[in-house]
Amino acid sequence: QAQLVESGGGVVQPGRSLRLSCAASGFTLRTYAMHWVRQAPGKGLEWVAGLPSDGSNYFYADSVKGRFTISRDNSKNTMYLQMQSLRAEDTAVYYCARDLTSVITNLLESWGQGTRVSVSS
Amino acid sequence: EIVMTQSPATLSVSPGETATLSCRASQSVSRNLAWYQQKPGQAPRLLMYGISTRATDIPARFSGSGSGTEFTLTISSLQSEDFAIYYCQQYDYWPPCTFGQGTKLEIK
Repeated sequence: QAQLVESGGGVVQPGRSLRLSCAASGFTLRTYAMHWVRQAPGKGLEWVAGLPSDGSNYFYADSVKGRFTISRDNSKNTMYLQMQSLRAEDTAVYYCARDLTSVITNLLESWGQGTRVSVSS
Repeated sequence: EIVMTQSPATLSVSPGETATLSCRASQSVSRNLAWYQQKPGQAPRLLMYGISTRATDIPARFSGSGSGTEFTLTISSLQSEDFAIYYCQQYDYWPPCTFGQGTKLEIK
């Protein structure tokens, strides 16, 4: 059974960086497209970034483009989200999610339990 | 960016009855419309995609309908475990795929 476990969240000052990890088990990460989705406190869902299984392209929401980088390490079956120049509005629970297929469909079939990021001085 | 608008924000329904949730897109999304369920403290779960195709292990009391810009999620014979927040999502025009603001289904 597919399982995703996020880690790396915490409290960080504005302008600083943080790297989130998403460890996959029960399936091979490199055979699926993967995404990051966030949820600000008391708010709805916001898609953040995605990449297909072949890593040929990277896609970002405009709100994070140029500041966040999605990547994966197939040898570790782990995906990452490198976040730089963090802002207060980046405060959210960050979920990693597995796509339905190897190409991006944006159908988020499996989700981790999330890791909380708080950007505050 | 396509804006998704859900109504109502909160829906109160008694167990055993039927709940009807609505979702409107700012432009046509063809059949590329999905629904997710999120319970307090949990991650979202994919319920439905392609308007009316149930995801794995989703019971038949969940059904989807609509076309173009207007969509409906219907939950019949409401069970206690169905009370949650429901989000619609368009994945026709991306990036970004976009979600509605959610409808909270609460027990009446």
